[in-house]
Amino acid sequence: AQSVTQLGSHVSVSEGALVLLRCNYSSSVPPYLFWYVQYPNQGLQLLLKYTTGATLVKGINGFEAEFKKSETSFHLTKPSAHMSDAAEYFCAVNPNTGTASKLTFGTGTRLQVTL
Amino acid sequence: DTGVSQDPRHKITKRGQNVTFRCDPISEHNRLYWYRQTLGQGPEFLTYFQNEAQLEKSRLLSDRFSAERPKGSFSTLEIQRTEQGDSAMYLCASSLVSGGLNQPQHFGDGTRLSIL
Repeated sequence: AQSVTQLGSHVSVSEGALVLLRCNYSSSVPPYLFWYVQYPNQGLQLLLKYTTGATLVKGINGFEAEFKKSETSFHLTKPSAHMSDAAEYFCAVNPNTGTASKLTFGTGTRLQVTL
Repeated sequence: DTGVSQDPRHKITKRGQNVTFRCDPISEHNRLYWYRQTLGQGPEFLTYFQNEAQLEKSRLLSDRFSAERPKGSFSTLEIQRTEQGDSAMYLCASSLVSGGLNQPQHFGDGTRLSIL
C-alpha cells in the first residue's frame, strides 16, 4: 500500500519569496510521483512528474521537485512566488508495479501569496 | 487535444434522487478514471476502465454507484438513492497506456454534486 503526507495544509509566502511545499510518501515499491495544482472550481493540472532517471525534475510555471529516496520525499519548490501561484497543490503517488494504476493523493496544501 | 470534458459542472438534487454524470476523455486515451473529492481533501480513487473493461473498483464505490464505459469512449457515473454524504466533486481523468505506468492522468474540471 502507498500513502502520501503533505506537511502544512496552508502555506503563506510573500510575492518573490521561495516556495517550498513538502511531500513525503510511503510505498512498498519504487513509486512514480506527481505534483498537481488545482485552482478554485477547476480540475487538477499536472505540474511535474518523477518516474525514473534524474531525481531533480522541472515542471511548468517555474516549479521543480527533487526525489530523495533516502528521505522518501518529493518536495516542490519555486524560487520566486507570483500572485498567480495561489492555489491548492496536491502530491500524488502511483505504484510502479505494472498492474495498479490509481493515484493516491495527499490532503493538499493551500498556497497563499501576499504582496 | 480538447481536454477531458465533464457534464454537468454542477448538479443539485434532493436526497433519494438518482443522478448521472458524463465524462468524455481525451480522444486517444484508453484509460479513464473516476475520483471523488470532498472539501479540504485530496481526490480519492473510485474506479477505472481500460477501454470498455472496468478493471478496478474502490471500496468507496458502494452498490448505489455504478460506472460504465460501453464503447470505450465516454463514461457515465450513476449514483442511485443519493445521500447527504454523496455531496462532493466528482473528477474524471484519462490517460494513455503506453510504455508502462508513467503516462500522466489528465483531469477534467469535475462535476460538483450538492444534495439537499
